[in-house]
Amino acid sequence: GAVVSQHPSRVICKSGTSVKIECRSLDFQATTMFWYRQFPKQSLMLMATSNEGSKATYEQGVEKDKFLINHASLTLSTLTVTSAHPEDSSFYICSARDSGLNTDTQYFGPGTRLTVL
Amino acid sequence: GNSVTQMEGPVTLSEEAFLTINCTYTATGYPSLFWYVQYPGEGLQLLLKATKADDKGSNKGFEATYRKETTSFHLEKGSVQVSDSAVYFCALSALYNNNDMRFGAGTRLTVKP
Repeated sequence: GAVVSQHPSRVICKSGTSVKIECRSLDFQATTMFWYRQFPKQSLMLMATSNEGSKATYEQGVEKDKFLINHASLTLSTLTVTSAHPEDSSFYICSARDSGLNTDTQYFGPGTRLTVL
Repeated sequence: GNSVTQMEGPVTLSEEAFLTINCTYTATGYPSLFWYVQYPGEGLQLLLKATKADDKGSNKGFEATYRKETTSFHLEKGSVQVSDSAVYFCALSALYNNNDMRFGAGTRLTVKP
């Protein structure tokens, strides 16, 4: 099946620093990738849709200047949490949809746990 | 808008018990329906899916049938194992709406030996 990787799997940073998370589709091309946030024992909240070669589409309430998304190639999207604060600590999960198939199945990465001290 | 309502947990069962996790949806048009499973500390894995009414998705002994008349996609397994302990998410998605995958709240299942 389709594989999506995320890097890093865990990151601990100091308040005020920026953190970049990578999401890669390993064996397929993805015009569209998605970024989700998951709080403990809660469901996934869609943050933004990342479109290759164009600006990301952010969900209501998600600060685009806080969560910078870049989708520079068909296999890579990055999420940068700028000036991170403790309240940004969360589990960030990306997903990708195979551009080559007429399917709405999303394949998820293993997630990145961010802890901001 | 599209939404998914999922049976709240937690659910605790003994090994070999029968499992049902209810899921109903609200959507315009004809969405695809999914069950994802999340093991502790990991991302989501696709468990099964169904793309049209009356389709049955199945995998690893789990199954769910797309019921348009009741707008439901209940997850069932005849005999659960300890290794099935995880959080299960019902979700829907629509190709005509590029980014619209909606998740239920998740149901935590614990299976005891």
